[in-house]
Amino acid sequence: QKEVEQDPGPLSVPEGAIVSLNCTYSNSAFQYFMWYRQYSRKGPELLMYTYSSGNKEDGRFTAQVDKSSKYISLFIRDSQPSDSATYLCALYNQGGKLIFGQGTELSVKP
Amino acid sequence: KAGVTQTPRYLIKTRGQQVTLSCSPISGHRSVSWYQQTPGQGLQFLFEYFSETQRNKGNFPGRFSGRQFSNSRSEMNVSTLELGDSALYLCASSLAGGSSGNTIYFGEGSWLTVV
Repeated sequence: QKEVEQDPGPLSVPEGAIVSLNCTYSNSAFQYFMWYRQYSRKGPELLMYTYSSGNKEDGRFTAQVDKSSKYISLFIRDSQPSDSATYLCALYNQGGKLIFGQGTELSVKP
Repeated sequence: KAGVTQTPRYLIKTRGQQVTLSCSPISGHRSVSWYQQTPGQGLQFLFEYFSETQRNKGNFPGRFSGRQFSNSRSEMNVSTLELGDSALYLCASSLAGGSSGNTIYFGEGSWLTVV
């Protein structure tokens, strides 16, 4: 079983839609949770970083962590074509390694 | 503040050759980690260096090696290249590395094609 599971998509939505991206993880010891956005042929850029269970909001983006279910989510409100990218969840394991999900490819159509 | 800089951005090598990739971290960052990204395997951790010492290592063969210099700049080397080594190699830097949950910042990557 992979430490982090993420549906690779692709996911296609119309402009203005609410997007929900999700990851599940297997080890309850994970403590730090991140979401990265990666545009084609670019390096990943950090979007959100959370530590505890609950919600964290930043503009149109909301990161949600449910440690009891080992489930993390990223919500994008009022999605824009410029949001089209691959979104990767990332978690630190006990050994200090950052483990990434497979990434979900998102396309927002005008 | 300059970001993480990787060189070269693109390169083509022949099977059996070796390659060295370079990374300059964000000023003040002492931890540098390397990742390999391929369509099939996604982002996979190679190794992490902190203060010139390898602190963490992923599950890659010994052909993959790295080092870090006193100015925190890092290089990774892949010897005896195989076709399967074709990938985007990403360098990331952070203040103190993963053990403290520090956020890491990625460079644009080096695209390696092995023919």
